Amino acid sequence: DAKTTQPPSMDCAEGRAANLPCNHSTISGNEYVYWYRQIHSQGPQYIIHGLKNNETNEMASLIITEDRKSSTLILPHATLRDTAVYYCIVRGEGGKLIFGQGTELSVKP
Amino acid sequence: GAVVSQHPSWVICKSGTSVKIECRSLDFQATTMFWYRQFPKQSLMLMATSNEGSKATYEQGVEKDKFLINHASLTLSTLTVTSAHPEDSSFYICSASQRYNEQFFGPGTRLTVL
Repeated sequence: DAKTTQPPSMDCAEGRAANLPCNHSTISGNEYVYWYRQIHSQGPQYIIHGLKNNETNEMASLIITEDRKSSTLILPHATLRDTAVYYCIVRGEGGKLIFGQGTELSVKP
Repeated sequence: GAVVSQHPSWVICKSGTSVKIECRSLDFQATTMFWYRQFPKQSLMLMATSNEGSKATYEQGVEKDKFLINHASLTLSTLTVTSAHPEDSSFYICSASQRYNEQFFGPGTRLTVL
């Protein structure tokens, strides 16, 4: 499975949009981009995933570049409860989820 | 969304004893379950993958005789840490998926070995 690169940490003001970038330049054609987050001392929580097209659900939006080498997770109106470590993972169909170091997002009042 | 539970949520044991952790999928049948370990301030590390009714596949460097995994039914997998030592103290997290779809994670079990 392709590796991903994320900034180690980011800050965001409460109520503003949080844009979390992820690079996955070696992604192959049949690999999906998944996003999970982990709030301290809890199990990871699924957020969203996509293959080529942009995706949106009740939690977030996922923007994937046309060449699929990078993506951005958008939390449209960040709240204090969104403070967590966010993991971007590239996964083939039926493949394992291999976690990198993720981005520690701090939402500040 | 799908719910995965773990029991116990935390456990303290003496060095040399064995500890069993249960992982259950509550509202779906999990054909595949995964076990992860997480040390403080580190990311999750995949330990093994288990498919219902067959032997678990362990990641490189994970001792299969020390971390016994059983996936006897479509809703239950167990991880037994045998002869636990202080260095086995960690946060153990399971996840479950149905036919290679999204994985849903349990809340984790914190193991402390004295």
